[in-house]
Amino acid sequence: AQSVTQLDSQVPVFEEAPVELRCNYSSSVSVYLFWYVQYPNQGLQLLLKYLSGSTLVKGINGFEAEFNKSQTSFHLRKPSVHISDTAEYFCAVKNQAGTALIFGKGTTLSVSS
Amino acid sequence: GAVVSQHPSWVICKSGTSVKIECRSLDFQATTMFWYRQFPKQSLMLMATSNEGSKATYEQGVEKDKFLINHASLTLSTLTVTSAHPEDSSFYICSARQLAGAGDEQFFGPGTRLTVL
Repeated sequence: AQSVTQLDSQVPVFEEAPVELRCNYSSSVSVYLFWYVQYPNQGLQLLLKYLSGSTLVKGINGFEAEFNKSQTSFHLRKPSVHISDTAEYFCAVKNQAGTALIFGKGTTLSVSS
Repeated sequence: GAVVSQHPSWVICKSGTSVKIECRSLDFQATTMFWYRQFPKQSLMLMATSNEGSKATYEQGVEKDKFLINHASLTLSTLTVTSAHPEDSSFYICSARQLAGAGDEQFFGPGTRLTVL
């Protein structure tokens, strides 16, 4: 069975500071990895995904993530955050042979000035 | 890009009534749609997987007689919460799976907030 652990439930940062949101997964088979962002009372928007190839994945809004197979991690980073990045961020994993996304519990990113 | 809509976006109903939520893929065909439930400040929990033309597959602990799912066409899936009670109040989100050229990506609807009084 697969599982996703987001190590930080809340991450407060100041505007223009760098941020890293941590995600670890467990799976006995190869997986696809995703990061989604959710703004209040809205659905999920895909930030980026890792399917194969380069382990450094660039997404929208200046976010990037690095797939580390040996550490089973897929941490999300942004070098300089904005107030508008304040939202809930979800890491998700999907079995290559299956169809359902398994989500982590989410990390609340709060950016203040 | 691929767009998924949900209707209604929010609904308030009395305890004991049934509520139907629609999920539509607007510009692509979705052979598979998923229904998730999200409680405040929590993650999305998969409720069921819906394949067009066949019965939905429910996750363990989800009552299939309470949460009726119908996937009658390649662009529409519906979730009916039957005899709703206050504990069913939640944010319900659907997603649709696009196969061709999208890395098996799921596209999410904006969600439906259900409040049962």
